[in-house]
Amino acid sequence: AQSVSQHNHHVILSEAASLELGCNYSYGGTVNLFWYVQYPGQHLQLLLKYFSGDPLVKGIKGFEAEFIKSKFSFNLRKPSVQWSDTAEYFCAVNTPTDSWGKFQFGAGTQVVVTP
Amino acid sequence: GAGVSQSPSNKVTEKGKDVELRCDPISGHTALYWYRQSLGQGLEFLIYFQGNSAPDKSGLPSDRFSAERTGGSVSTLTIQRTQQEDSAVYLCASSFTGALIDTQYFGPGTRLTVL
Repeated sequence: AQSVSQHNHHVILSEAASLELGCNYSYGGTVNLFWYVQYPGQHLQLLLKYFSGDPLVKGIKGFEAEFIKSKFSFNLRKPSVQWSDTAEYFCAVNTPTDSWGKFQFGAGTQVVVTP
Repeated sequence: GAGVSQSPSNKVTEKGKDVELRCDPISGHTALYWYRQSLGQGLEFLIYFQGNSAPDKSGLPSDRFSAERTGGSVSTLTIQRTQQEDSAVYLCASSFTGALIDTQYFGPGTRLTVL
C-alpha cells in the first residue's frame, strides 16, 4: 500500500528563518503531489500542487516545493518565514492509475514561528 | 455562504449508537470527498463521489460506514453502531469537476466523540 511520510511532526523556528518540510511517498508509478495548510481556526487549504512539467512548483504565500522523482520526495520550502506561517502542513499524494479520486495524506507537521 | 458546510460541528454520542454527518458542497461542484482525521494523524481518505459515477468506497474502514449523495449535491456519512475508535474529525471537501487539477475545498469538519 502507498504511504506518505512527513519527517517532522513539530518544527519551531524564528521569523526570517528558512523552512523546509520533508515529504516522502512510497509508490513507483505516476503521482500527483500536493501540499495543504491549515492555519489555526481555519479550514484546510491548498498551498501548491504538482502534476507534470517543471519539478519546482511555486505556490501561494512564497512557498515552493520540489519534486525529486529519484528520491520519491516532494519537500516544501520557504526562504523566510513569518509569524503568520504558523500552521499545520500536510503533504498529499494521488496515484491516478490506482484510484482517480483517492488522496493519501501525511500525518502533518505543526510549524510554530516565533516573533 | 460560498464554502463547504458541514453539520453538526460537534457530535457526542454513546458507543453503539448510529450517527449521521452532513456535508453541503459548494454549489456546482460535482466531486465530493470524505476524510477523517484522528488525533495526531493525517487525513484518512474515506470515500469519493464524482457526478453520477459509482463512488470510490475503497477508504471506508468497515461496513459500519456508508455514505450517499442525493441529487448530486448534499452528502450524508452514516456510521452505524459507533465505536470509540470512530472518534475523529470528519472532513468533507468538494471540487468543481473532480479532475485532479481542480482544487479541493474543505469544510470545517464535524468533531465526533464516541463515549
